[in-house]
Amino acid sequence: DAGVIQSPRHEVTEMGQEVTLRCKPISGHDYLFWYRQTMMRGLELLIYFNNNVPIDDSGMPEDRFSAKMPNASFSTLKIQPSEPRDSAVYFCASRSRAEAFFGQGTRLTVV
Amino acid sequence: AQSVTQLGSHVSVSEGALVLLRCNYSSSVPPYLFWYVQYPNQGLQLLLKYTSAATLVKGINGFEAEFKKSETSFHLTKPSAHMSDAAEYFCAVESGAGSYQLTFGKGTKLSVIP
Repeated sequence: DAGVIQSPRHEVTEMGQEVTLRCKPISGHDYLFWYRQTMMRGLELLIYFNNNVPIDDSGMPEDRFSAKMPNASFSTLKIQPSEPRDSAVYFCASRSRAEAFFGQGTRLTVV
Repeated sequence: AQSVTQLGSHVSVSEGALVLLRCNYSSSVPPYLFWYVQYPNQGLQLLLKYTSAATLVKGINGFEAEFKKSETSFHLTKPSAHMSDAAEYFCAVESGAGSYQLTFGKGTKLSVIP
């Protein structure tokens, strides 16, 4: 298996633009997590899904953030409109019973 | 609710010296505990985990950690540091009982001095 695949690896966008981050989890994993990593706040859980259903989105910072999982092999995290304070590395992780596997992350820069 | 505190945002050791990275947790139920490593521009990789079996857990790359309930600690150690151990290390707690939700500490960046 290729592991958790995230795209793009890097994204630079202007303030006010819509940004969509993508994640392909490991096949057979029924949990999917979105995290945000910043120097100030460390790793924060934004939202997670179980069997494609959002379970807890209490970490989503504002209504500008939304996440979907239309099927077991794909999830998106959307920011609309983006702001400079959204600049961070966003990680997707999928989980078996044993452990969570992380993607390589998307480094988002909003200018 | 659970939380994790990692003492020391940055630790430096000499090559061949003991590595000790500290982690204390807070959890209202028996926890599952994890250590992850992150190399530059990479995702997180699992080093080891404690899930209520043996209190001394051995992981990859020669690392181990000991669960001490009385101290609410789960410190990570390695007897002899190698240059390739330079990375950021994260301790994480899961509340157990199948929650699957990890809460991470702020991380400790390990530097290894030749």
